[in-house]
Amino acid sequence: ETGVTQSPTHLIKTRGQQVTLRCSSQSGHNTVSWYQQALGQGPQFIFQYYREEENGRGNFPPRFSGLQFPNYSSELNVNALELDDSALYLCASSLETSRTDTQYFGPGTRLTVL
Amino acid sequence: QKEVEQDPGPLSVPEGAIVSLNCTYSNSAFQYFMWYRQYSRKGPELLMYTYSSGNKEDGRFTAQVDKSSKYISLFIRDSQPSDSATYLCAITYTGNQFYFGTGTSLTVIP
Repeated sequence: ETGVTQSPTHLIKTRGQQVTLRCSSQSGHNTVSWYQQALGQGPQFIFQYYREEENGRGNFPPRFSGLQFPNYSSELNVNALELDDSALYLCASSLETSRTDTQYFGPGTRLTVL
Repeated sequence: QKEVEQDPGPLSVPEGAIVSLNCTYSNSAFQYFMWYRQYSRKGPELLMYTYSSGNKEDGRFTAQVDKSSKYISLFIRDSQPSDSATYLCAITYTGNQFYFGTGTSLTVIP
């Protein structure tokens, strides 16, 4: 059984650019959630995808968008990067949306915006 | 008002001590309560999960939910240096949106 993987590990971008982060869910999991974790803070929920459809969204602007593929892997896209977007981006997969006891996190992608 | 509040610490205890970590939440409709542990430069890992009120024990860890007070706790008995990490509480209504506390940094001194 493979765990949740994310790529890339680190990324440096400049303000105004666009970025795509990728996540492979744990085998058998059909739900993927994305979080932003600023330094010294807890993860902030961005959105969740369930069976390729957005299933919940936190308080993030539309320039944060996502996608889930038929194999349940997922992408997070951020347009028009701002300095405040610098953070650790975490992906988590769950067996089902309702199975809150099965949410497993990946190691994260650290994004730095200069 | 934030959905969940957590004392950020930091907390420093000697090895073998009992550790108490706490969170309060704002809405009594929350039903699922979790504790995650996060080591430096790693993703959070699920430590304890509780549905509704009550206690749940797993080895040295006990999670407690008091819905009347909107208060959740994690107790660590016989704390070990390997327990040094940041502990995050998390809550959700139905599993499609999670709210995390800011995390409490714990150091267990040998």
